[in-house]
Amino acid sequence: AQRVTQPEKLLSVFKGAPVELKCNYSYSGSPELFWYVQYSRQRLQLLLRHISRESIKGFTADLNKGETSFHLKKPFAQEEDSAMYYCALRRASGSARQLTFGSGTQLTVLP
Amino acid sequence: SQTIHQWPATLVQPVGSPLSLECTVEGTSNPNLYWYRQAAGRGLQLLFYSVGIGQISSEVPQNLSASRPQDRQFILSSKKLLLSDSGFYLCAWRGTGSTEAFFGQGTRLTVV
Repeated sequence: AQRVTQPEKLLSVFKGAPVELKCNYSYSGSPELFWYVQYSRQRLQLLLRHISRESIKGFTADLNKGETSFHLKKPFAQEEDSAMYYCALRRASGSARQLTFGSGTQLTVLP
Repeated sequence: SQTIHQWPATLVQPVGSPLSLECTVEGTSNPNLYWYRQAAGRGLQLLFYSVGIGQISSEVPQNLSASRPQDRQFILSSKKLLLSDSGFYLCAWRGTGSTEAFFGQGTRLTVV
């Protein structure tokens, strides 16, 4: 069975400081990993996906298969980054290919 | 463009009452549809998914059921609500072949 673990429920950093949101997964196959974000009073939305190897809003995430991790990083946090962040895994094959989410990390960037 | 509608936004229901939450998608055909629940302090838990009309898969045994009477309509139901059914319910859709899921605004259900 697949599982996604986000060990930090709450994380606070000061504006301009680096931030790392941790995500570990367990899955026997080749997964697809995502980060979703929910800003206050907004819908849950996709932030980035590992297959795109993209940087969105200054955030990056590298899939480390050896450590089974997909940590989200940003070198200089901004106040507008305050939000709930969810790491998610999707099977690389199979019907529906539904997402499995972690429990989420509430990030607060302090002024 | 595609949009997803979910209603109501909030709902307070007594224990033992029935439940019906509705989700509709516009601007796409044959989407994969999902119902998730977020209980307090926990992550998003997949409840049901559907790959087509009348096709429902349940991920966890529970007091709820789902139906897909039309291609772009997904309904979450219960005959008798339990206190433990309280939570935040999210509907989502994903296009066939797409990797991104799009979420509705969610329904905050409180069973009292």
